[in-house]
Amino acid sequence: GQSLEQPSEVTAVEGAIVQINCTYQTSGFYGLSWYQQHDGGAPTFLSYNALDGLEETGRFSSFLSRSDSYGYLLLQELQMKDSASYFCAVRGITGGGNKLTFGTGTQLKVEL
Amino acid sequence: KAGVTQTPRYLIKTRGQQVTLSCSPISGHRSVSWYQQTPGQGLQFLFEYFSETQRNKGNFPGRFSGRQFSNSRSEMNVSTLELGDSALYLCASSLDPSRGPPTDTQYFGPGTRLTVL
Repeated sequence: GQSLEQPSEVTAVEGAIVQINCTYQTSGFYGLSWYQQHDGGAPTFLSYNALDGLEETGRFSSFLSRSDSYGYLLLQELQMKDSASYFCAVRGITGGGNKLTFGTGTQLKVEL
Repeated sequence: KAGVTQTPRYLIKTRGQQVTLSCSPISGHRSVSWYQQTPGQGLQFLFEYFSETQRNKGNFPGRFSGRQFSNSRSEMNVSTLELGDSALYLCASSLDPSRGPPTDTQYFGPGTRLTVL
């Protein structure tokens, strides 16, 4: 099976940098994805790491280390609109299909 | 390109009733997956359809079922509703998972908020 753990809540101030960690236990997966979800909204795709290393997309960066079973999402120049829940997710290699297993989710609160 | 659409957006039912939710994927996307989101259990996978075939199923009772049509639109049905079925039901589509990343990236619709009284 697969399980992904994230901190339940992170608080940071506007303009700062914040890192949201994701540690996982899985028998194998294609890559690590990150999704953002505002209250009452749908998860929105942010980033994908198929290989180890850093992927940068604007103010967001994501990192994956398969040897450490660890990944993170880095948000820079935080804005109030970044207040949302963030989920890491993996698509497992076994079982076929396109099933995503999501992490427990991290609620990010950005304060003035 | 239009995103994933789901109807209805909100639904109120009573215990014992059944419900059908609809999902239209992004044009050209052949894979449709369904997820249930609740405060207690988080985001949980229900099932996935690809080319009208169910390819994967999560750990949900048989009351939850689905299907996909030739135009890739999908429906999910929940029969004999229980209070615990109250949740946000999300549909996600992807281009072609068999080709691996990034074509397996899933894009979500706005969801259907189901309340069971």
